[in-house]
Amino acid sequence: SQQGEEDPQALSIQEGENATMNCSYKTSINNLQWYRQNSGRGLVHLILIRSNEREKHSGRLRVTLDTSKKSSSLLITASRAADTASYFCATDAGLDYKLSFGAGTTVTVRA
Amino acid sequence: EAGVTQFPSHSVIEKGQTVTLRCDPISGHDNLYWYRRVMGKEIKFLLHFVKESKQDESGMPNNRFLAERTGGTYSTLKVQPAELEDSGVYFCASSQLDRDYEQYFGPGTRLTVT
Repeated sequence: SQQGEEDPQALSIQEGENATMNCSYKTSINNLQWYRQNSGRGLVHLILIRSNEREKHSGRLRVTLDTSKKSSSLLITASRAADTASYFCATDAGLDYKLSFGAGTTVTVRA
Repeated sequence: EAGVTQFPSHSVIEKGQTVTLRCDPISGHDNLYWYRRVMGKEIKFLLHFVKESKQDESGMPNNRFLAERTGGTYSTLKVQPAELEDSGVYFCASSQLDRDYEQYFGPGTRLTVT
């Protein structure tokens, strides 16, 4: 069954606006990560947040984690056309660190 | 430092044919993972190598899929015979032994079975 589920499935915003997407998961986790995939390219690691952390920042990215609700959010501030991509959350649990991904949020930033 | 590389980038084959995908992990990364994303669905784990040993192959869909990692370096994933539902993007990732969660992904191989 799906571990991570992103919401919304698709998001269209104007350049300069903020983009927020959410991820929910079902079981206890070690870490939650966000990845970006530009069209036709591989997955690029954006940020990792551990289960004992609540918020993390990296440049224009802000990630929150609420383990009581089993959910995370990714905020991209001051979006740019280059942020147009699919964004995936991925969780790992247990000892083997295999990642469980959601179906992704497709973000389109209009110039 | 070179990243994870995958070959080919795109493969189009007919149902019933055989295809072999290759992944070269980052040098020194003992962990190697295969994942795939079939059309419109989530990315799913296939299997995990630690060096040349299969640590977890619980995600392999059936016995038409065979993964190897000779000498603990590059890995191959063979699909024989290919079926229509095997179409999708196959990703490879690698990580250091003591930092399993920091997985670096390759660009993926897009497999189209017609």
